[in-house]
Order: sequence, then structure tokens, then C-alpha cells
Amino acid sequence: DQQVKQNSPSLSVQEGRISILNCDYTNSMFDYFLWYKKYPAEGPTFLISISSIKDKNEDGRFTVFLNKSAKHLSLHIVPSQPGDSAVYFCAASEYGSARQLTFGSGTQLTVLP
Amino acid sequence: DTAVSQTPKYLVTQMGNDKSIKCEQNLGHDTMYWYKQDSKKFLKIMFSYNNKELIINETVPNRFSPKSPDKAHLNLHINSLELGDSAVYFCASSQGVGQQQFFGPGTRLTVL
Repeated sequence: DQQVKQNSPSLSVQEGRISILNCDYTNSMFDYFLWYKKYPAEGPTFLISISSIKDKNEDGRFTVFLNKSAKHLSLHIVPSQPGDSAVYFCAASEYGSARQLTFGSGTQLTVLP
Repeated sequence: DTAVSQTPKYLVTQMGNDKSIKCEQNLGHDTMYWYKQDSKKFLKIMFSYNNKELIINETVPNRFSPKSPDKAHLNLHINSLELGDSAVYFCASSQGVGQQQFFGPGTRLTVL
């Protein structure tokens, strides 16, 4: 049973437009959420995170939104750039579990020039 | 200057063999992890060590044995390899439990 789900395996967006990547979770004990970005033949790299006490966190072109009642989070990239083309993983953790990360299956974002 | 490195990058071997994957981090972190990325692309935690002590041990066959000779290294030894072990294995490290994790480039293991 996957506790973190990314239902869109791929997304294509035009350069300059907004990219919205979605993530749903089922475990109500998750209180910390992260997005990782992964290029081919490389390991995931941390992008942005949000604690459950917030509903929005912004870092430059990247904004993560958290809707706790819907158990849903999204990553917005504005404006999208070709270098943003990568696989984006959503991850979540809960207090007391040694903070182990539970990952989604990833969404391949392609930004078209 | 590589922060988290893994060797080898690719490993092709026959069923039944024993193999090891090495991981080293030069970030001074005290917590290290092994993840398996399966065919459905999910990254799943296998093990975590904090200060050379095992703190996470998910449901993993006991053919998999992590070894941490020091805080900078966490090696993964796999006995009697099976076809289902084919996957990409990622090592990661963090400064403390629950802190941001830095990943290695992955080791693609193919069992024939």
C-alpha cells in the first residue's frame, strides 16, 4: 500500500509557463513533506520542503502548497525552464519514525523550449 | 568534489553470487541510508545507520547486510543474489536523523 502517490507519471509544459506537480498521501501522521529533483544517472537532490504547520513555502521559482484536509501537496514552478526537465519525487515523513522518508514514484517533467 | 559516492556505478552478475556496493560520504554526516528503487520507480528505505548504529531496518531479506566501518562509510553486502534484486540502489547521508538527505548517484544492479 503506497502511502505517497504521484498519479501523473509525466508532464510536459512550455518554457515560461507554470508547471504544477501533484502529490497525495494517505498517512495522516505525516508532518513533513519534501520535493526532490532527479536528473538521469544522478541521485535525487533536495529542492524544497514544508512542515505541516504551514500551507505554503516559497523558494525562488519554486512554491510548495500543502492542503492537509485533502492530504494533498503540489509543487509549482514559475516560470518553467528547460533545465527544470527532470523527475520530481514527493516524499513525506512522520515524527518518531526516525524521520524515514516515504517516497512517491515520481513525475517526469519535460519543459519544452 | 563528490559529496556522496557509490561504487560501482553498474554491476551485472549471475544469480546466486555475492556482491557488495560501497558508499562513502565526505560531508561529515553521522547518518547514512540505503534505498532501493524498484521497477515501479518507488524509492524505498532499506537501512539507516546513525553514528555506526543501525536505526532503521525495513523488511528486507537477511541476504542483505549493511556494514558501517566508520561514520563516513556504509557498505551493502548482498548474498545469494536473486533476479528480483535487480534495481537501482541509492546511498544517502544526512547530518542527524530527520535532516536533509544527500544522495549518491546510484548503483544499477542487474542479476542475470
